Amino acid sequence: SQTIHQWPATLVQPVGSPLSLECTVEGTSNPNLYWYRQAAGRGLQLLFYSVGIGQISSEVPQNLSASRPQDRQFILSSKKLLLSDSGFYLCAWSVKVNGYTFGSGTRLTVV
Amino acid sequence: SQKIEQNSEALNIQEGKTATLTCNYTNYSPAYLQWYRQDPGRGPVFLLLIRENEKEKRKERLKVTFDTTLKQSLFHITASQPADSATYLCALDGSNDYKLSFGAGTTVTVRA
Repeated sequence: SQTIHQWPATLVQPVGSPLSLECTVEGTSNPNLYWYRQAAGRGLQLLFYSVGIGQISSEVPQNLSASRPQDRQFILSSKKLLLSDSGFYLCAWSVKVNGYTFGSGTRLTVV
Repeated sequence: SQKIEQNSEALNIQEGKTATLTCNYTNYSPAYLQWYRQDPGRGPVFLLLIRENEKEKRKERLKVTFDTTLKQSLFHITASQPADSATYLCALDGSNDYKLSFGAGTTVTVRA
């Protein structure tokens, strides 16, 4: 069956520290992969998406980056976190025109 | 600019009644529109997808309509139950490009 793993579930990081969030997908090949961020009481904002290994599209300019080193692995990174990076980060996958499957999310608090 | 607007921030209804949620969009030409359910602290869960050439879609107690002329989708939960309490998100693609943009959501509370 198809599953998506996202970790960690919660993270508290100081301003200026690095970030690495990982997402892996099982049970499907060549998925489209996405990173979204959701601020409190707000909608989901698309940050990055990828249609294949090494192919990353950035939707919003900011101090975050993404990488896809393997077909079913998607990583969100930052070299130096800002207070404004706090939020709920969600990884998702899809194949062709179908609903997205989201991970359980990472609640990031930058202090 | 592109906008996706979902009606009212919260909807409170009595158990057994029908909840109707609205999603309006501007400056999009979506090939399809999707609805998701999100519980607090969890990722959204896909419910229904409706294509631009479809007027209506049903799944159990859920019904979605899609009017590309009005640029609007309606989402109905019939015979609502307290377990239906959640935030419901509308999402649509830019132009068949597999990237979804989401509305802010409507929170539904069903009272027993």
